[in-house]
Amino acid sequence: NAGVTQTPKFQVLKTGQSMTLQCAQDMNHEYMSWYRQDPGMGLRLIHYSVGAGITDQGEVPNGYNVSRSTTEDFPLRLLSAAPSQTSVYFCASSSLGGASYEQYFGPGTRLTVT
Amino acid sequence: AQKITQTQPGMFVQEKEAVTLDCTYDTSDPSYGLFWYKQPSSGEMIFLIYQGSYDQQNATEGRYSLNFQKARKSANLVISASQLGDSAMYFCAMREAISGSARQLTFGSGTQLTVLP
Repeated sequence: NAGVTQTPKFQVLKTGQSMTLQCAQDMNHEYMSWYRQDPGMGLRLIHYSVGAGITDQGEVPNGYNVSRSTTEDFPLRLLSAAPSQTSVYFCASSSLGGASYEQYFGPGTRLTVT
Repeated sequence: AQKITQTQPGMFVQEKEAVTLDCTYDTSDPSYGLFWYKQPSSGEMIFLIYQGSYDQQNATEGRYSLNFQKARKSANLVISASQLGDSAMYFCAMREAISGSARQLTFGSGTQLTVLP
């Protein structure tokens, strides 16, 4: 199992550009989520999904879109990048069934917006 | 109000000593879970330990134990016999059952632990 994979690892964007951060998991997890991590702060939830076709907003959703067309993939789209979106982005997944509680995190994408 | 508070931005410990990282939380949900994650300088998030609100005993995983004091709403992480490889940022996080999917995590701001040789 590859677990949770994210691409790219690093990205530099100019203000106003759009891009998609990719996230995939091979554990058949229903739940997937995106977090951002800023210096001196913990991770904050951007969007999450409890299954294909179902997404919802987290704490800091503005400027980001998501979709979930398959169980495996959960891409995060930046519509018009802003310097305030410079951050490290983590994707995570988890099973919703049984007593499982652990969230598995991807390696992160470091995004810089100039 | 902060849901997760970690009051120690930085901590130092001598190698082989034990260290306690503080975490307090705030919730009105009777069903919740508390997590600790380690983030080394390489950046990945590593799950360390979990404590459920209804668990009767404190969680332990190898050198990690969670000192869960429900009435005080604290969930401190204890690392015994510190190793140089324990130097990292440590995050406390909480999952509340009322938060929609019951899988969303709220994180504290972290504690940077440095183990001295």
